[in-house]
Amino acid sequence: AQTVTQSQPEMSVQEAETVTLSCTYDTSESDYYLFWYKQPPSRQMILVIRQEAYKQQNATENRFSVNFQKAAKSFSLKISDSQLGDAAMYFCSQGAQKLVFGQGTRLTINP
Amino acid sequence: EAGVAQSPRYKIIEKRQSVAFWCNPISGHATLYWYQQILGQGPKLLIQFQNNGVVDDSQLPKDRFSAERLKGVDSTLKIQPAKLEDSAVYLCAGSTGTYNEQFFGPGTRLTVL
Repeated sequence: AQTVTQSQPEMSVQEAETVTLSCTYDTSESDYYLFWYKQPPSRQMILVIRQEAYKQQNATENRFSVNFQKAAKSFSLKISDSQLGDAAMYFCSQGAQKLVFGQGTRLTINP
Repeated sequence: EAGVAQSPRYKIIEKRQSVAFWCNPISGHATLYWYQQILGQGPKLLIQFQNNGVVDDSQLPKDRFSAERLKGVDSTLKIQPAKLEDSAVYLCAGSTGTYNEQFFGPGTRLTVL
């Protein structure tokens, strides 16, 4: 069965600093994708970053990067130079035909 | 480019009543998803359509929930009769393919009293 676990219900970071959100997953699929989505308060969920499991190179999108450890089934998100607009719920998800989402991590940015 | 449209945004009903939600994804997004997001949890997939065909409805409580996408464009999700535990945000999302980015709507917040 597919499962996604985010072990940090809440995280906080000072503005301009770096924070890492953790995610582990379990799947029997050999080919799948991993995503981090962001859900700001009262706003729509949007994609932050996407990783294909067959690629060894970690995905990067501007200040956002991932540390993908396929053998360990780990997929953490690093946010560099944190900004106030990064405050949101962050959801890790994994799947091939169907996505499974984690419980989410609430990220607070302290000015 | 217009985003994913959902209506209504909020709905309050009594238990055992019926309710319907509507979603219109971005033009050209053949894959459509309905998720249930209970407060404090991540979204849970209820049903996935590819055009007007169902790809996955394994987590849809079929005794009370139904969904359709008759013309492969917009979609309706219905609950009949509603239970207290159906209180949640119902999210609709669309994508150009299963492995691609999903574009989410604003959701419908349902409260069942």
